[in-house]
Amino acid sequence: EDKVVQSPLSLVVHEGDTVTLNCSYEVTNFRSLLWYKQEKKAPTFLFMLTSSGIEKKSGRLSSILDKKELFSILNITATQTGDSAVYLCAVNTGFQKLVFGTGTRLLVSP
Amino acid sequence: GAVVSQHPSRVICKSGTSVKIECRSLDFQATTMFWYRQFPKKSLMLMATSNEGSKATYEQGVEKDKFLINHASLTLSTLTVTSAHPEDSSFYICSAETGDSTYEQYFGPGTRLTVT
Repeated sequence: EDKVVQSPLSLVVHEGDTVTLNCSYEVTNFRSLLWYKQEKKAPTFLFMLTSSGIEKKSGRLSSILDKKELFSILNITATQTGDSAVYLCAVNTGFQKLVFGTGTRLLVSP
Repeated sequence: GAVVSQHPSRVICKSGTSVKIECRSLDFQATTMFWYRQFPKKSLMLMATSNEGSKATYEQGVEKDKFLINHASLTLSTLTVTSAHPEDSSFYICSAETGDSTYEQYFGPGTRLTVT
């Protein structure tokens, strides 16, 4: 059974801190790994990763994939209260299917 | 960017009634749409994959007769929760795939269903 596991489940940090969110996966077929941010409604897309070792960056957020060790990390530097959300990791297993992890709930306190 | 809408955003219905949720791709054609369910503080669970003009493919454990999916056009898919019960209360999210080589899915804003 395909599985995506995220850690930690929840995290509380102070504004300005740097956080690292983890996502590991075990799937029979890997096409890509995606990170989403979910606030009150539907997830919004952050990154899609397909190749190992190539960092994707967007402002204070960055992500990297390790296909040998089957994990990805999402880094957020200089966190702000607006970064508070659930961060979801999903693996596209082909056959048009996304398998989601349980998410990491991040709370950034002022 | 690609926009997906859902209607209604929130619905309350009585036990035993049926509820229809619409998912539309507003500025692109989506040959494939997906329906997810999310329980409070849990992740998204794929319920079914909906292809235009053909029957939906349901995930294991999802009742086809309970959750009817119709993908009648390239911009519209509907999910009907039949004979709803309180345990069907959940957040239902659809997504649509643009069909290009990125296979990226764009999510709708979700529908919160409460069955009383």
